[in-house]
Amino acid sequence: AQSVAQPEDQVNVAEGNPLTVKCTYSVSGNPYLFWYVQYPNRGLQFLLKYITGDNLVKGSYGFEAEFNKSQTSFHLKKPSALVSDSALYFCAVRPPSGGYQKVTFGTGTKLQVIP
Amino acid sequence: AAGVIQSPRHLIKEKRETATLKCYPIPRHDTVYWYQQGPGQDPQFLISFYEKMQSDKGSIPDRFSAQQFSDYHSELNMSSLELGDSALYFCASSLRLAGPDTQYFGPGTRLTVL
Repeated sequence: AQSVAQPEDQVNVAEGNPLTVKCTYSVSGNPYLFWYVQYPNRGLQFLLKYITGDNLVKGSYGFEAEFNKSQTSFHLKKPSALVSDSALYFCAVRPPSGGYQKVTFGTGTKLQVIP
Repeated sequence: AAGVIQSPRHLIKEKRETATLKCYPIPRHDTVYWYQQGPGQDPQFLISFYEKMQSDKGSIPDRFSAQQFSDYHSELNMSSLELGDSALYFCASSLRLAGPDTQYFGPGTRLTVL
């Protein structure tokens, strides 16, 4: 069975500092990995995904994530945090082949950017 | 660009009542997914449809049913509502032929059961 772990319930970072939100996964075969952001009372917004290719994936709003197969990690990063980045971030994984299958989400990490 | 539309955005019901949530996918998307997100919890997959047929089933209670119509919109029907059904329900859509799915999520319907 596939799974996703986000070890930190909350991450606090000062505005302008780099931020990292951690995610590790477990899945058979090569994973499809995703990051979503959720603002209060809103649905999930897609940030970026890794399917294959370059391990460093660039996404929306200046975010990027690095796929590390040996560490089974897909950490979300941003060089300089903004107060508006404060939100709930979900990592997700789905297995590769077999058509559409359900996506498994992590439990979410609350990012708080302090002015 | 058009996004996923969900209606209503907010819904208040009493215990044992029924509710119907609607989802209109992005035009030309052929797959719809339903998720339930309880307060402070991660989204839980309920059910998905591809070309009007159920394609995958998650933790959807027997009191719930869903279908996808010929215009690809989907409805989630919830009966005998319980207090624990209070949650944010959102759907997502994707296009199968585009390759690995990137699910586009709607804004959600917040259901409150009193």
